[in-house]
Amino acid sequence: EVQLVESGGGLVQPGGSLSLSCAVSGFTITNHYMSWVRHAPGKGLEWVADIKEDGSAKHHADSVRGRFTISRDNTKNLLYLQMNSLRADDTAVYYCARKLRHNMDIWGQGTTVTVSS
Amino acid sequence: DIQLAQSPSFLSASIGDRVTITCRASQDISRYLAWYQQKPGKAPKPLIYAASTLQSGVPSRFSGSGSGTDFTLTLSSLQPEDSATYYCQQVDSYPITFGQGTRLEIK
Repeated sequence: EVQLVESGGGLVQPGGSLSLSCAVSGFTITNHYMSWVRHAPGKGLEWVADIKEDGSAKHHADSVRGRFTISRDNTKNLLYLQMNSLRADDTAVYYCARKLRHNMDIWGQGTTVTVSS
Repeated sequence: DIQLAQSPSFLSASIGDRVTITCRASQDISRYLAWYQQKPGKAPKPLIYAASTLQSGVPSRFSGSGSGTDFTLTLSSLQPEDSATYYCQQVDSYPITFGQGTRLEIK
């Protein structure tokens, strides 16, 4: 069964750090771009970051560039998002997804990040 | 950045109705447009990719059309389970962007 399972979310104070993981089963991430997308309360979907199959290219949204870093471990079929200098407006459900050329076709169930003092 | 303007933001329709949601891109994105359905507390579900190709398993009452800057998502005969928020997404260039969403309510 194809499955993406995010973990690592939680409550963190402003300025703090959090590391999200996405465990993939049912396919090998080696052959695919992978993405992170977030959904803040009461707002729309926002793309956060993408990483190429071999990790040689990464793209981050302007809103997180310099604070968040996407990475992957193809040997473990894992995707990561390291989040530093967290702000209140980073509060959201974070989803990992498999990215194809034309869309994101498989999504995890999401992990909730709350930034609050 | 490529902006996507969805309309309407809210739509109320009855079972069996035909509804159309539009998505306008701020520049030519060819056919690099996807549509998603999201229900509260759930992950987005892919519906359409490459503007008009139906994702596997999606009912045929969903259809997409368009190219360049103007796109539409059509539901030909509304069902109760279609109550959700719908988003368009462009994957032509970075940063990837989404429309602001269209909330569809079943009367």
